[in-house]
Amino acid sequence: AQKITQTQPGMFVQEKEAVTLDCTYDTSDPSYGLFWYKQPSSGEMIFLIYQGSYDQQNATEGRYSLNFQKARKSANLVISASQLGDSAMYFCAMRELDNYGQNFVFGPGTRLSVLP
Amino acid sequence: SAVISQKPSRDICQRGTSLTIQCQVDSQVTMMFWYRQQPGQSLTLIATANQGSEATYESGFVIDKFPISRPNLTFSTLTVSNMSPEDSSIYLCSVDLPTGGTYEQYFGPGTRLTVT
Repeated sequence: AQKITQTQPGMFVQEKEAVTLDCTYDTSDPSYGLFWYKQPSSGEMIFLIYQGSYDQQNATEGRYSLNFQKARKSANLVISASQLGDSAMYFCAMRELDNYGQNFVFGPGTRLSVLP
Repeated sequence: SAVISQKPSRDICQRGTSLTIQCQVDSQVTMMFWYRQQPGQSLTLIATANQGSEATYESGFVIDKFPISRPNLTFSTLTVSNMSPEDSSIYLCSVDLPTGGTYEQYFGPGTRLTVT
């Protein structure tokens, strides 16, 4: 079964606007971590933000914030004040921490295009 | 974070040949990982490489096709053997780094392989 779901294969946003990229996950482990990565056309994977399952507050990193709704098992990425350089693929990933050694599971990704 | 380099960054190879991809990390790490990303797809874990032991392969990947070496705590190689056009992908290595009570995964820049 799919453990990470990203329902938006592609998204468009106007420059300077905010955008939310959806991510839902499935796990029965109480300890897990959720990650977002950005992959520009160059192919490198860039770590953006992390949310632990026990974290009380939503994670923030500059223009990136994670809207973590544990009961709904969702971890949406919010990018504020979009820039042209934000155009890329975005992957949500999960690690189930009780099974260290079981590695990251990646979602299918969302392609974000920022329009001038 | 860690500085991770990969060689080559890209290559075009003929079917039936083999290519060895190198991954170098600027710090000692216990576990290194190799991923494949086929065109338009998400990342799929090939294997986990621990220093001093055999790599652990995920379902669908075998050692004869993807032999891995891990001679020390900062270096690993992945060989793609007897290549076919279906092996055309981006190959990424990654490492785990302890961060604030958990482990975050950082990726190398990737090797873009095209098999003709």
